[in-house]
Amino acid sequence: DGGITQSPKYLFRKEGQNVTLSCEQNLNHDAMYWYRQDPGQGLRLIYYSQIVNDFQKGDIAEGYSVSREKKESFPLTVTSAQKNPTAFYLCASSIDLGLAGRTDTQYFGPGTRLTVL
Amino acid sequence: AQSVTQLGSHVSVSEGALVLLRCNYSSSVPPYLFWYVQYPNQGLQLLLKYTSAATLVKGINGFEAEFKKSETSFHLTKPSAHMSDAAEYFCAVTRRSYDNKLSFGAGTTVTVRA
Repeated sequence: DGGITQSPKYLFRKEGQNVTLSCEQNLNHDAMYWYRQDPGQGLRLIYYSQIVNDFQKGDIAEGYSVSREKKESFPLTVTSAQKNPTAFYLCASSIDLGLAGRTDTQYFGPGTRLTVL
Repeated sequence: AQSVTQLGSHVSVSEGALVLLRCNYSSSVPPYLFWYVQYPNQGLQLLLKYTSAATLVKGINGFEAEFKKSETSFHLTKPSAHMSDAAEYFCAVTRRSYDNKLSFGAGTTVTVRA
C-alpha cells in the first residue's frame, strides 16, 4: 500500500534533549512538508522540501532542523532550542511543490505526538 | 498573503440533521481551496478540493462545498449527519498560485448527538 508513515506515534522528551521524528513515503512524491498542530491553532508549516538535498524554512522553523538525503525520507529534529515543543507533528507529501496553474494535493501521515517532560 | 477564517470552533448537530461548516478566505490571486477531516490522534484526510473548475465540489462521505467568489466563501455541507462525522474539520487555501504551501484555518470540531 502506498502512503506516508511516521514514527514513533508517541514520543517523550526531557528538556534539553534533541529528538528526531521520522517521516517516510512510498508515493514517489517530490515534495514533503512538516507541520506542527496545537489545539485551536490549525496547522503551521515548519519546513518543506521540493527535491532531494533542498529544503526551505516555513513559518515557524526556529528550533527545528531537517534533512532530505533521500526522496522518500524527510526527518525532523526538534532541538533543545525549541522552547515549547509539546505538540502534534504531521508530515505530508505532494507530487511536487506546485507548478503554475496547478496545485497538488497534500497527503498526510498519521502524526507523532511529542510531549516534553 | 492568503488566509482562512473558520467561523465557529465547535459545532453540535443531531444525527440526521444538516451539517454546515463555514470557511471564508482572503486571496489576492485565484485560490485553490481544500477541506480536510481529522479524527482523534490521526492525520488529515482530504474531503474535497476546489481548483477553479465547477464551483460546487463533491467530496467523500457525502460532503460537498460551494465556492462563492463574491462572498469569498467555501462552506462545507452534508445533508444528513452520521455519528461517524464527529471529527475536526480544516479549511485550507493555497498561498500563491504557483506553489503548494497551504494556510490552514483553526479548525471546527463537530459533535453529533444521537
